[in-house]
Amino acid sequence: QKEVEQDPGPLSVPEGAIVSLNCTYSNSAFQYFMWYRQYSRKGPELLMYTYSSGNKEDGRFTAQVDKSSKYISLFIRDSQPSDSATYLCAMIPNSGYALNFGKGTSLLVTP
Amino acid sequence: KAGVTQTPRYLIKTRGQQVTLSCSPISGHRSVSWYQQTPGQGLQFLFEYFSETQRNKGNFPGRFSGRQFSNSRSEMNVSTLELGDSALYLCASSLALGGTEAFFGQGTRLTVV
Repeated sequence: QKEVEQDPGPLSVPEGAIVSLNCTYSNSAFQYFMWYRQYSRKGPELLMYTYSSGNKEDGRFTAQVDKSSKYISLFIRDSQPSDSATYLCAMIPNSGYALNFGKGTSLLVTP
Repeated sequence: KAGVTQTPRYLIKTRGQQVTLSCSPISGHRSVSWYQQTPGQGLQFLFEYFSETQRNKGNFPGRFSGRQFSNSRSEMNVSTLELGDSALYLCASSLALGGTEAFFGQGTRLTVV
């Protein structure tokens, strides 16, 4: 069993919808939580990262971490067709460690 | 500011051959990490170099090796290629050791036939 689990989707939503993307993890030592977006034939792009529990907002994106449940979420408000991509969560126990990735969720936002 | 540059973008190699991939990090970044991405396993960590020294290593066989030069550019080598080595190889750079703010290149797509 992988340390980080992520539903691969695909997830299809209409333009303007609120999107919820989630990951669960098993390693309670994880402290830093990242979300990456990867377009087809491109490398992953860092969207945001949070430290420990709580929420973080950046424009239309909100990241939530619930360490007690070992569950993290990324919400996308007012979704756009340009948000269609694969979203990857990643996490590490501390700043000196390599990223542990989920397998990614494929999102399609239809006009 | 230029991003992370990986060359070549695409490669086709024959089983048993060896291959070298190159990564130029963002200017000023001293850490370079390498990841393998496949549909079945997702992104898996290979190794990380910082100041020309390998600092972290993933669970890959010794056929996978790397190095970093004094200008922080890094190369990754895979010897005795197997069909299962077909993957997207991604390089990420960051200012400090570890992955809190890692920036990825576009990857090298390796196909082994």
